[in-house]
Amino acid sequence: SQQGEEDPQALSIQEGENATMNCSYKTSINNLQWYRQNSGRGLVHLILIRSNEREKHSGRLRVTLDTSKKSSSLLITASRAADTASYFCATDPNNAGNMLTFGGGTRLMVKP
Amino acid sequence: EPEVTQTPSHQVTQMGQEVILRCVPISNHLYFYWYRQILGQKVEFLVSFYNNEISEKSEIFDDQFSVERPDGSNFTLKIRSTKLEDSAMYFCASSAPGREQYFGPGTRLTVT
Repeated sequence: SQQGEEDPQALSIQEGENATMNCSYKTSINNLQWYRQNSGRGLVHLILIRSNEREKHSGRLRVTLDTSKKSSSLLITASRAADTASYFCATDPNNAGNMLTFGGGTRLMVKP
Repeated sequence: EPEVTQTPSHQVTQMGQEVILRCVPISNHLYFYWYRQILGQKVEFLVSFYNNEISEKSEIFDDQFSVERPDGSNFTLKIRSTKLEDSAMYFCASSAPGREQYFGPGTRLTVT
């Protein structure tokens, strides 16, 4: 797979359920970031997790990072219809203001 | 809350014409970026800019592309001679050193 590949590609759940999205990458990173994109709109930054961190929380979001497996997961708890969007992971190789490499994203649909 | 702004929101141009996409990054950020997203595809890095020069660019960013920071607030992307395959959503982003990137709402470029 390419750098920053999300799994699954699409996920449909009921409101109130938890949603888990996974991301795998190939090269070493300095940090990994998760973004949300509503259809046809811009990217909204959710969480940044650094390579020396294993878990991070922000509200209903929980991100984990396993650098030995080169993988990350994003958990959205108690999902709402407004969480319907595409979610992307993006890797930053060296934390020096350089390029982010995005994955293909997970399309999440939360049904009311 | 400060945000990245982009103009225009939608640009239609004929093949071979020059276009300039404009961005106003967040005022205290030092790193600026351009990304593009072809419909239905991944977000792709084009170029990063720091201290008035390009710090990194991708293979997509060929001689047809250029960036400029003409004054203290604007950051522009110029495509000299547009091609059909340049049709995409173009996102500007900015960041503080070692921090997450904040994206603008995007400019949808349609080349006919």
